[in-house]
Amino acid sequence: KAGVTQTPRYLIKTRGQQVTLSCSPISGHRSVSWYQQTPGQGLQFLFEYFSETQRNKGNFPGRFSGRQFSNSRSEMNVSTLELGDSALYLCASSSTGRGTTDTQYFGPGTRLTVL
Amino acid sequence: AQKITQTQPGMFVQEKEAVTLDCTYDTSDPSYGLFWYKQPSSGEMIFLIYQGSYDQQNATEGRYSLNFQKARKSANLVISASQLGDSAMYFCAMRESDTGNQFYFGTGTSLTVIP
Repeated sequence: KAGVTQTPRYLIKTRGQQVTLSCSPISGHRSVSWYQQTPGQGLQFLFEYFSETQRNKGNFPGRFSGRQFSNSRSEMNVSTLELGDSALYLCASSSTGRGTTDTQYFGPGTRLTVL
Repeated sequence: AQKITQTQPGMFVQEKEAVTLDCTYDTSDPSYGLFWYKQPSSGEMIFLIYQGSYDQQNATEGRYSLNFQKARKSANLVISASQLGDSAMYFCAMRESDTGNQFYFGTGTSLTVIP
């Protein structure tokens, strides 16, 4: 079974631009979560989507948004980029996103650099 | 309060030796899951092992085992017979039953295996 894929792997943008990251979950998985990882803040939860609906959201400004398609693929968008948005963005998929045993499997991440 | 605490920023271990990575957690939810992930320099988070709060026995997966002490709220990862490829960041994570699919991550421990 193929793992979680994320595209692109690397991105360089300038302040003020917007960016869209893509994530394809493991086949059959319906829950997709997004995390931001920075050296200073560590891993922070952005949001989770299940069946095309945002089910859970972390403490990030409205510039960060996402969506999920009927095939469970997900995209996240960051508008009006700031230097502090430079980070590794990780996508994780799980089967149902419910119960304590449902493991999240991560993709390779997208490394975003904002200049 | 931090949900997950990893107090060892960096650890060194000799090849073929065993090493313990510490993790303590904080929750009032009686039902929760604990996870360990490995993150090599490439960035991808690799799932290693899972322990449920109601599991009576410590989880084991190959060379990985989890020393689960529920009363002390600790879930230490033990890696036996360390290999050079074990050099990576290791993250402890928790998921509670009543907070959706949000995983709480610790700050990680950087493990270096010395030949």
